[in-house]
Amino acid sequence: EVQLVQSGAEVKKPGESLKISCKASGYSFTGSWIAWVRQMPGKGLEWMGFIYPSDSDIRYNPSFQGQVTTSVDKSLNIAYLQWTRLRTSDTAIYYCARLNKELSFAFDVWGQGTMVTVSS
Amino acid sequence: EIVLTQSPATLSLSPGERATLSCRASQSVSGKFYLAWYQQKAGQAPRLLIYDASNRAPGVPARFSGSGSGTDFTLTISSLEPEDFAVYYCQQRNNWPPLTFGGGTKVELK
Repeated sequence: EVQLVQSGAEVKKPGESLKISCKASGYSFTGSWIAWVRQMPGKGLEWMGFIYPSDSDIRYNPSFQGQVTTSVDKSLNIAYLQWTRLRTSDTAIYYCARLNKELSFAFDVWGQGTMVTVSS
Repeated sequence: EIVLTQSPATLSLSPGERATLSCRASQSVSGKFYLAWYQQKAGQAPRLLIYDASNRAPGVPARFSGSGSGTDFTLTISSLEPEDFAVYYCQQRNNWPPLTFGGGTKVELK
């Protein structure tokens, strides 16, 4: 079964750092882009960026450029999203999703989401 | 940036009724418009329904259909089942970055 399993919920203070993960299984991890999508409380979906695990080619949404960093560990089939200094406005659910070339690069498999709460 | 505007914001319907959801793009593109539709139920991750405006994703029931071209796209649910009450998002990848989503349409029980 193709799956993306994300790390658990996090509660952090403003200014702290954080790295969340997305573990892929059931398919060739290096063969598909992995995207990150933010959903703030009660709001819609926002594309943050994506990474191609084979060569770590990365494309960011200009709105998130410099705010977050994505990376992968090919040996573990894991993609990461990290912040160096969290803000209260980073409170949201973060999803990873696979882009499927066979389905015109639509997001066909999603992780369950990681809830990040940033509060003093 | 292509802005996607979904309407209505909320659709109140009963099981068995037909749902028609609209997604309008702020600009047209030459050639194919890569538009997808997703369903998100409360507390769950989104699920891909339609890609390339009109192709059903694997495992998606036939009551879901997508259509449209240019700047106007439609998701139709021919006969609502109880499990179809959810929020629906359209998304484009023609002109990126950024890849954009619409604001969503909530289909609620009347």
